[in-house]
Amino acid sequence: QITLKESGPTLVKPTQTLTLTCTFSGFSLSTSGVGVGWIRQPPGKALEWLALIYWDDDKRYSPSLKSRLTITKDTSKNQVVLTMTNMDPVDTATYYCAHSGEYSYGFYFDYWGQGTLVTVSS
Amino acid sequence: QSALTQPASVSGSPGQSITISCTGTSSDVGGYNYVSWYQQHPGKAPKLMIYEVSNRPSGVSNRFSGSKSGNTASLTISGLQAEDEADYYCSSYTSSSTPNVVFGGGTKLTVL
Repeated sequence: QITLKESGPTLVKPTQTLTLTCTFSGFSLSTSGVGVGWIRQPPGKALEWLALIYWDDDKRYSPSLKSRLTITKDTSKNQVVLTMTNMDPVDTATYYCAHSGEYSYGFYFDYWGQGTLVTVSS
Repeated sequence: QSALTQPASVSGSPGQSITISCTGTSSDVGGYNYVSWYQQHPGKAPKLMIYEVSNRPSGVSNRFSGSKSGNTASLTISGLQAEDEADYYCSSYTSSSTPNVVFGGGTKLTVL
């Protein structure tokens, strides 16, 4: 059974750096083809793809946010970490991590975490 | 503005069929068979309903089907049920700029 869970601060101040951790079980991020991605959703708005890391440590980022994002993995801990610098109130959103299976090539997500709401406010 | 265009809302009565469109370009929807659809109920995480244009994951009702023509993909829900009321998002692989994935703006389905 694949599960994912996001953790991190619920409130950050403008200009601070956000660090979110996705802890997962039921699969290994060392299995060929597997990936873990981050997607966010501002309140009442659409989903936005942020970043994805593959089993071989290949990383992909949203072009519009690439300069602010870093995604890393710790295979031994079954964790993926996303950092986002220079946070702004417009970054207020629910942040999800999600699993991309070995035949998905990172193009779709079949398991999602419950999401964590991050509010950016002074 | 989302990269993929969806209608803001659609509605239908129980038992009817509805179709949600998702329009992109030749760099995404039209160029690759990597269109997927997600269902999202209020306060819940998205759920994968269709992948690679027309494939259903295990456990998804066969009332849900997907198709594509040119730069437009479609999700059809037949035999509408009250539980189908939700937001639906399409997504696609895109080769524009840095290859990645883009989502549509979402469609609110109301079951009358």
